[in-house]
Amino acid sequence: LAKTTQPISMDSYEGQEVNITCSHNNIATNDYITWYQQFPSQGPRFIIQGYKTKVTNEVASLFIPADRKSSTLSLPRVSLSDTAVYYCLVGERYSSASKIIFGSGTRLSIRP
Amino acid sequence: GAGVSQTPSNKVTEKGKYVELRCDPISGHTALYWYRQSLGQGPEFLIYFQGTGAADDSGLPNDRFFAVRPEGSVSTLKIQRTERGDSAVYLCASSLTFVGDRGVSGANVLTFGAGSRLTVL
Repeated sequence: LAKTTQPISMDSYEGQEVNITCSHNNIATNDYITWYQQFPSQGPRFIIQGYKTKVTNEVASLFIPADRKSSTLSLPRVSLSDTAVYYCLVGERYSSASKIIFGSGTRLSIRP
Repeated sequence: GAGVSQTPSNKVTEKGKYVELRCDPISGHTALYWYRQSLGQGPEFLIYFQGTGAADDSGLPNDRFFAVRPEGSVSTLKIQRTERGDSAVYLCASSLTFVGDRGVSGANVLTFGAGSRLTVL
């Protein structure tokens, strides 16, 4: 299982773009990168998943360089409601279910 | 159901008592996961099921913890002789998996319940 490293915390302001970078130097060929968001008193919620280059959905964008040793979650024009913990995970997508490990995540605080 | 349901949402018990936590996954999701989360920490893997069988129980902290999924749907996490250190939020998640070479969009994406908060006094 590839280990991931991400900042413990980040602060930003409403209306700003926030980029959270995750390092995964030992990512395997078949591994996908998945990000989850967790609000207080709730379970984590899937945000976005990607393999290479760029993926965009209604919530965020995920940028993955060619060597795939890192990835950046980009949240455009954040609001107070984006205050949460964000987890980066690496694992096989196209396989039977496997052990999925969460790290400590990045605690994002958005200020008015 | 529409989402993953966990009961009870809150459980307060005394040291030494037995506790059961229930998880009702999304219908059709064959994989089911249990995690434990302490304040300020990420979810800690406990066990996952593929169908009725425990595929990996390496995260269970000791033999006081046990989980079952007898019919491949609802799962119960059982904790014997609870200790104060067992206090945490216990999260359940389910995911859609598949058999074969081709992937299904969203495979290995977990959908979590709201958790069961266990407090051992």
